[in-house]
Amino acid sequence: IAGITQAPTSQILAAGRRMTLRCTQDMRHNAMYWYRQDLGLGLRLIHYSNTAGTTGKGEVPDGYSVSRANTDDFPLTLASAVPSQTSVYFCASSLTGNTEAFFGQGTRLTVV
Amino acid sequence: GIQVEQSPPDLILQEGANSTLRCNFSDSVNNLQWFHQNPWGQLINLFYIPSGTKQNGRLSATTVATERYSLLYISSSQTTDSGVYFCAVGRGGSYIPTFGRGTSLIVHP
Repeated sequence: IAGITQAPTSQILAAGRRMTLRCTQDMRHNAMYWYRQDLGLGLRLIHYSNTAGTTGKGEVPDGYSVSRANTDDFPLTLASAVPSQTSVYFCASSLTGNTEAFFGQGTRLTVV
Repeated sequence: GIQVEQSPPDLILQEGANSTLRCNFSDSVNNLQWFHQNPWGQLINLFYIPSGTKQNGRLSATTVATERYSLLYISSSQTTDSGVYFCAVGRGGSYIPTFGRGTSLIVHP
């Protein structure tokens, strides 16, 4: 069982470029989330999806977009990357309702 | 939104010592998790504990939902316990975890 898989593991990106971070889960979880982690700030929610076909904005959504075409995949897109988007990005999922969330291994993104 | 405060922010222990980490939250919740982020950055699920007490080996956790706090106990700490411990909470029908800023733990041999 793979759980949640994120790709790439790390990436260096030129400012202004477009980038999609991939997230796939094989647990048939309904809810999925994207967080960014910055030193001293903990994990902050970017976007979430309660079920396939729906998405919502989190605490820090500006500069990011998501889609949820099916249950398994929840890609995060940076349309035009800026240095302030340098961070570690985590994808997570939960069954929905009152169940625990599970996290992927993270993607370390550096925008230069 | 709901506020989550963790204390202490930093903790340094000698191997074998016990410790208590605290998570306070500003509103009622029906989801609460404790995570350990290891030095390689992985987030590891420790407990899903919206109320009550659970134990797993040297670790245990207690959530008193009516008083809006949770405690994580680490007994006989080991160097492998080092890392950052996060509390995350949620409420309502759909769990959207809101994180505290974590407690950074260093255990010296």
